[in-house]
Amino acid sequence: GDSVTQMEGPVTLSEEAFLTINCTYTATGYPSLFWYVQYPGEGLQLLLKATKADDKGSNKGFEATYRKETTSFHLEKGSVQVSDSAVYFCALSVPFGNEKLTFGTGTRLTIIP
Amino acid sequence: DTGVSQNPRHKITKRGQNVTFRCDPISEHNRLYWYRQTLGQGPEFLTYFQNEAQLEKSRLLSDRFSAERPKGSFSTLEIQRTEQGDSAMYLCASSSRDREGTGELFFGEGSRLTVL
Repeated sequence: GDSVTQMEGPVTLSEEAFLTINCTYTATGYPSLFWYVQYPGEGLQLLLKATKADDKGSNKGFEATYRKETTSFHLEKGSVQVSDSAVYFCALSVPFGNEKLTFGTGTRLTIIP
Repeated sequence: DTGVSQNPRHKITKRGQNVTFRCDPISEHNRLYWYRQTLGQGPEFLTYFQNEAQLEKSRLLSDRFSAERPKGSFSTLEIQRTEQGDSAMYLCASSSRDREGTGELFFGEGSRLTVL
């Protein structure tokens, strides 16, 4: 079945450091890929998405590129801020079906000033 | 737009009792999903509605679990004869399909169940 493997956490970085959170997937067909973020005390919200190979999703300084050859969708940010502290989830869905999301286990990110 | 609303936010119950959670999706969304999230894990899919029709149920959804969406608007998730293993955060999400066939899911803040 479909699955998402996500970098184990927690991750602690200093402000302005470079961030990478690894994500790889296994899926039949051509899934769409997502990063969702959960800030403290809030619900999950979409951070970015990519729907086909070589697409790059970006938002709030975060980027991720859909790499079909390596089945990966790694999340990157060049300079993190304290406000980026949250739990990040990689997920996939198969388009034109019921579009349910299959999530990774999540990576807790803490940014220290 | 008030977003996806879930009630109650937190429920503490004794083992063997029944509990019901309610989800009010974004009004124009015809798709509604329930997920369960335990500590340190990602959300796991439970069930999916398109309008009032329940189109998919996960094997995680045992016979003690039932979900309804009677008029294609709000939904309820009932757990009968609760067990300690049911303790989790229950998440509701809604969406409407976009042209790419992949609609963004909008999540509520969840209903946390604690079974003593």
